Amino acid sequence: NAGVTQTPKFQVLKTGQSMTLQCAQDMNHEYMSWYRQDPGMGLRLIHYSVGAGITDQGEVPNGYNVSRSTTEDFPLRLLSAAPSQTSVYFCASSYMGQANSPLHFGNGTRLTVT
Amino acid sequence: KNEVEQSPQNLTAQEGEFITINCSYSVGISALHWLQQHPGGGIVSLFMLSSGKKKHGRLIATINIQEKHSSLHITASHPRDSAVYICAGGTSYGKLTFGQGTILTVHP
Repeated sequence: NAGVTQTPKFQVLKTGQSMTLQCAQDMNHEYMSWYRQDPGMGLRLIHYSVGAGITDQGEVPNGYNVSRSTTEDFPLRLLSAAPSQTSVYFCASSYMGQANSPLHFGNGTRLTVT
Repeated sequence: KNEVEQSPQNLTAQEGEFITINCSYSVGISALHWLQQHPGGGIVSLFMLSSGKKKHGRLIATINIQEKHSSLHITASHPRDSAVYICAGGTSYGKLTFGQGTILTVHP
């Protein structure tokens, strides 16, 4: 099993550009989620999904879109990148109910917006 | 709003010492996760607790549901335990809220 795979590992964007961060898992996990990690702020939930076709907003959803067309994939879209979106992004998955299941994290994507 | 408060923010220890990191959480959180992140590295799940106590090697995690408090203990600490330790509270419908993290440095 590959676990949770995130791509790319690094990305530099100019303000206004769009891009998609990819997240895939091969563990048949219902729950998938995206976080950003900023110095002094800790991890913050952007969006999450409890199954295919179901998504919901987390703590900091503005500027990001998600979709969950399959159980395996949960891409995060930046429609118009801003310098404030410079951060390290992590995807994670677990079985649902996540209250009884450990989280599996991807290796992260370091995004810089200039 | 679900909140998770973690302490201390920074912790320095000598090799062999017993270490405790604390986490308090608010109403609505039904499970508590402990995570480990090494510098420049990914995030690894150490424990997920909804009651009682769990042990894995030198790591022990406890949770007191009435007091809404969880602790992570490291026995016989080692320099390789140096990392950021993060607690996260999860609700039954999927939202996770994270503590700020504890930076642990263990000196030989």
